[in-house]
Amino acid sequence: EPEVTQTPSHQVTQMGQEVILRCVPISNHLYFYWYRQILGQKVEFLVSFYNNEISEKSEIFDDQFSVERPDGSNFTLKIRSTKLEDSAMYFCASRGFRQNTEAFFGQGTRLTVV
Amino acid sequence: GQQVMQIPQYQHVQEGEDFTTYCNSSTTLSNIQWYKQRPGGHPVFLIQLVKSGEVKKQKRLTFQFGEAKKNSSLHITATQTTDVGTYFCAGRREYGNKLVFGAGTILRVKS
Repeated sequence: EPEVTQTPSHQVTQMGQEVILRCVPISNHLYFYWYRQILGQKVEFLVSFYNNEISEKSEIFDDQFSVERPDGSNFTLKIRSTKLEDSAMYFCASRGFRQNTEAFFGQGTRLTVV
Repeated sequence: GQQVMQIPQYQHVQEGEDFTTYCNSSTTLSNIQWYKQRPGGHPVFLIQLVKSGEVKKQKRLTFQFGEAKKNSSLHITATQTTDVGTYFCAGRREYGNKLVFGAGTILRVKS
């Protein structure tokens, strides 16, 4: 069964450092998402990406965040200068073209900022 | 902005008892999806409801979508220990792209 893969599974970084979280969406999917989940809390929408550009983003997704699809298969989330409150589980998701299709989530990257 | 509220936050039941979680959106939805997240895991898609008043069943799970397409519920009959986890609803507006998640209901089942 096709799946969304994310790397690394766990990343520890020092406050102020840049991190890049990587995702390989399902190959024929066209919509891509990043969500985050602070431990024990809800899954929060960060950004959606379609046709090589951001289609929607939340208030959380400020200038410190950026997304890229550099090579047609990877989908990355960059945090330029991490803060302690960026510590969370980051999930990548993808879905197909039709409006009523489900999103498939990756296993997540646990980001710990120290 | 679009908000999705979900209650209860937490429910602890005896094995064999029923369980229900409720979801309410501030805006009319195109569809609503339900996900289950096991402890330490990622959200896994359960089902999608699209039509007003739709009811779908998956074995012991019954999902409903309200007539106004603003609320939904998930009911589990005769819970089992394998049902433990957090159940999230997630709604998408008409012509919208993002899925907005409810806060989730944590289900614990005591055997």
